[in-house]
Amino acid sequence: EAGVTQFPSHSVIEKGQTVTLRCDPISGHDNLYWYRRVMGKEIKFLLHFVKESKQDESGMPNNRFLAERTGGTYSTLKVQPAELEDSGVYFCASSQYRDRKPMTQYFGPGTRLLVL
Amino acid sequence: RKEVEQDPGPFNVPEGATVAFNCTYSNSASQSFFWYRQDCRKEPKLLMSVYSSGNEDGRFTAQLNRASQYISLLIRDSKLSDSATYLCVVIVYGGSQGNLIFGKGTKLSVKP
Repeated sequence: EAGVTQFPSHSVIEKGQTVTLRCDPISGHDNLYWYRRVMGKEIKFLLHFVKESKQDESGMPNNRFLAERTGGTYSTLKVQPAELEDSGVYFCASSQYRDRKPMTQYFGPGTRLLVL
Repeated sequence: RKEVEQDPGPFNVPEGATVAFNCTYSNSASQSFFWYRQDCRKEPKLLMSVYSSGNEDGRFTAQLNRASQYISLLIRDSKLSDSATYLCVVIVYGGSQGNLIFGKGTKLSVKP
């Protein structure tokens, strides 16, 4: 079974540009999460989709970040315009439900974003 | 105060040693607890869940003390392949519906 995949693996952009990250969850996983690790800090939650709906976006840093999951399959996270502090590793994770609770989250390899 | 606190290490130990990591969490409403392992420049992977009764998986033993809001991980007979960063993770259910709250991680280096 294929795991969570993310694209691109690396992205280097200039401040003010736009970048779109993509995540393909494990097939059949309704839950899709985005997390971010900024250098020197812990991994932090950004948002959670259940199918195509945003369940919780309390971790999104500001309105320069836009996440979508049209059709409830893959998800995109767009940063526009990018700022220097957006640099970090963006992880996507997916999980199933059991007894109405999310199960183990499986992480993708991450996208390393560097904003210059 | 950080939601999940860990000693960042690094812990440098010889092969065969026993090493213990500790973690504290601030939210008493936390309901699920895990240890994840992250290799250098890789994604986090679930190592084991942690239960109040304590649980063991081979050389790894995890313990939870809800009264003290404290989680531990014990690794016996360390192998070179155990070298990684160990992340303490909790979940507070409710509005957040299961998003993971991570500690910064404890780095372990096992030497020959």
